[in-house]
Amino acid sequence: GENVEQHPSTLSVQEGDSAVIKCTYSDSASNYFPWYKQELGKGPQLIIDIRSNVGEKKDQRIAVTLNKTAKHFSLHITETQPEDSAVYFCAVTGNQFYFGTGTSLTVIP
Amino acid sequence: GAVVSQHPSWVICKSGTSVKIECRSLDFQATTMFWYRQFPKQSLMLMATSNEGSKATYEQGVEKDKFLINHASLTLSTLTVTSAHPEDSSFYICSARGDLQSRGYTFGSGTRLTVV
Repeated sequence: GENVEQHPSTLSVQEGDSAVIKCTYSDSASNYFPWYKQELGKGPQLIIDIRSNVGEKKDQRIAVTLNKTAKHFSLHITETQPEDSAVYFCAVTGNQFYFGTGTSLTVIP
Repeated sequence: GAVVSQHPSWVICKSGTSVKIECRSLDFQATTMFWYRQFPKQSLMLMATSNEGSKATYEQGVEKDKFLINHASLTLSTLTVTSAHPEDSSFYICSARGDLQSRGYTFGSGTRLTVV
């Protein structure tokens, strides 16, 4: 099956700095790579996604890059704000859906 | 679009009783729904996959007789925790996959179950 690794597990940044979270996967057939934000006591919310035929996608302060050859993709958050503090999960889908282990992001005001 | 409603958001029950959690797709038909369990500070663990009109497929180690899943319509799946015990206390989350190619999976808001 798929093996999804996510790093780092915790990340603290100063408000205004950038945050980068990386995921690696093993199944080259995987073709859809979403990122979810989960706030305490709530379900995951999709924040950005990318398909295997695209290398980069941006939505305001959030961007995702995909390197299919190396089998890794990253979430980039620029100009971080305290409300960005949450747990972020990457996911990989092909025939099934696999979550990464999560990154707890803290933005320090 | 692609909203999944999950109820209740939290529930407290006594040991030995059963609890039902509902997951509804509000604006699309969900051919497949998924149930996850999440422990504090951990990722989501897939419990089972249910397809409308057929039996759910449970992940290894998940007791099908304890976690009953029903997906009788294209917009509703239910998870019933039978004879609940304190160790069943957890955060349960559903997700649905419809025919929306652009989005794929949408998650409910989760249910915090506490068994006392």
